[in-house]
Amino acid sequence: EAGVAQSPRYKIIEKRQSVAFWCNPISGHATLYWYQQILGQGPKLLIQFQNNGVVDDSQLPKDRFSAERLKGVDSTLKIQPAKLEDSAVYLCASSLVGGQGQPQHFGDGTRLSIL
Amino acid sequence: AQSVTQLDSHVSVSEGTPVLLRCNYSSSYSPSLFWYVQHPNKGLQLLLKYTSAATLVKGINGFEAEFKKSETSFHLTKPSAHMSDAAEYFCVVSDRSSGGYNKLIFGAGTRLAVHP
Repeated sequence: EAGVAQSPRYKIIEKRQSVAFWCNPISGHATLYWYQQILGQGPKLLIQFQNNGVVDDSQLPKDRFSAERLKGVDSTLKIQPAKLEDSAVYLCASSLVGGQGQPQHFGDGTRLSIL
Repeated sequence: AQSVTQLDSHVSVSEGTPVLLRCNYSSSYSPSLFWYVQHPNKGLQLLLKYTSAATLVKGINGFEAEFKKSETSFHLTKPSAHMSDAAEYFCVVSDRSSGGYNKLIFGAGTRLAVHP
């Protein structure tokens, strides 16, 4: 089966600019996740969708970050305006359902550098 | 809340020798635990998972982990390291998000180096 697709792979922007990332989950996966992975740390969940509804965005900096999952398939994550501390790898993952014990499948991520 | 602690930030082994990556967890209920591996500039790949069945879990590429409730540990082992095993390894515990859904809590990671 095709894996989780993300684009772009790399992005370099200046602070205060805006940026958007795209994710296409594995076909049939109802649950989609966006993670932020800062260099030297484990991934941190930003937002979780169940179909096209948000079920957890408690760690999303809502003053600058937004995400949507229209039609319950693809998703976009946006940062506006970007800050230096947003430099990280942004990982998208999906799982068949959202229950405990369900493994998540990850894309290769988008590496964001803020100048 | 659930949490994981990876006891070593770096582990270095010689090719052909055993690998041990240590993980302790904290959970208020019966946890689901995972080990993921991340190669440079790649996403995370699931190595194995524990979900309250057999306490010794076998994964891909010869890795296995043992769930020890009395020690709250879930250490990852491999009998013989291969050069291709060099990567970052994450111990992960499953928590419940505010909506009752699955939420993964990651450890800080252990970087495994394998020398010829």
